[in-house]
Parts: sequence; C-alpha cells; structure tokens
Amino acid sequence: DAMVIQNPRYQVTQFGKPVTLSCSQTLNHNVMYWYQQKSSQAPKLLFHYYDKDFNNEADTPDNFQSRRPNTSFCFLDIRSPGLGDAAMYLCATSSAYQETQYFGPGTRLLVL
Amino acid sequence: AQKITQTQPGMFVQEKEAVTLDCTYDTSDPSYGLFWYKQPSSGEMIFLIYQGSYDQQNATEGRYSLNFQKARKSANLVISASQLGDSAMYFCAMRGGNTGGFKTIFGAGTRLFVKA
Repeated sequence: DAMVIQNPRYQVTQFGKPVTLSCSQTLNHNVMYWYQQKSSQAPKLLFHYYDKDFNNEADTPDNFQSRRPNTSFCFLDIRSPGLGDAAMYLCATSSAYQETQYFGPGTRLLVL
Repeated sequence: AQKITQTQPGMFVQEKEAVTLDCTYDTSDPSYGLFWYKQPSSGEMIFLIYQGSYDQQNATEGRYSLNFQKARKSANLVISASQLGDSAMYFCAMRGGNTGGFKTIFGAGTRLFVKA
C-alpha cells in the first residue's frame, strides 16, 4: 500500500545534541510537509517542499532545518534541541493537484 | 488572515447515536479546501473527509458527512452511528486560496468520547 513512513517512531535526545527525523513516501507526491504538534495542541506547520523548492514558515525557528534529497525522502534536522522542542513531529504529503494531505504516524521526540 | 475555530473542546456521545462537531472558518479567498482529520491516541492523523469551496453538494464518506454552509462559513462534521473506536481528537482544517497556497491551518480540535 502507498503510504507515508516516519522513522523512528520515538526518539530520545539530549539537550543540545543534534537529531534528525526521517520521512519517506511511496505516493510520489511532490509536496512534503513537516508539522510540530505539542501536547493537546493543533499541528503547526514548520515548512514544506514543493518539489525541490523549500518554503519556510515565518515563525519557524532557525534551529529547525530540512532536506529533501529526492521525491521520496524528506528529513527534519533539529540542530540544538531544547526542552521546548519536545513534541510529536508529523510528516505529510500531498499532490500539487489535489487538496488532501496524507500524514505519517509521527515521531515523538523527547529531549532530556 | 485565515482562521479555523472549533469551539467544543470535548464532546460526549452515546454509542450508535449521531454527533455533530462544529467548525467555523474565516478566509477572504474564494477558493479553499476544508478537511476533517481524526487523531487517535497513537498520534497518526487520519484523513476523514474533504469539501471544496466550489462543491455544490455536501461531502459524504461512509458514516462521515460534512455540513457545509458557505454563507455562514461553517463546515461541521457529522458522525452517524457512533462507535467506540470513534473516540479520538478531531481537527478541522483549511487549505488553499490565493494567500494560503499549500499551507493548511488547523483548528484547536475537539476530543470526542463515545460511551458504551
């Protein structure tokens, strides 16, 4: 089945230690998104790629970076995680020609 | 600016009964898309239903229907014949328009509890 895959499902890191979260998709969608969702809150868009074009949200901290080496993969890099970065990170994809976004299962990040 | 409002933090419904989750939105763009997502405790966001701003009929997907009232800017989700597995967080979301583009904004969510 076509799907959005996120690895790992749970990630524990130390304060200040860089961490990378991974997302892959078999849907061949050209748009990929990263959301941050803190407990009991709505998902908040960090950035998205339309093909190779990177679109950063104005309020996304510089601590968050992303890479998309090819259509299938997208990475979220947190350069120096702080305690406030502990959250669920959701990856989603969509076709440029359809409205619906399809989400992966998410990665829960814990910062110690 | 685009905005989604869900005024019900929590809702209870008896199993097998119908429930309506409220959603209002604000946008100045004539073209937009409205969505409902379900998020169980596992965390995955599950797409339920979509309504385009130009769609003439209300969207339906199995037990889910979207009561779209464009003039009132509301897009309520109706779940018929509730099941215990429907207990989850439900998010209303909006995407698109000239200002929105690919960005999707989410409401604060409504937590639904289905009672046996």
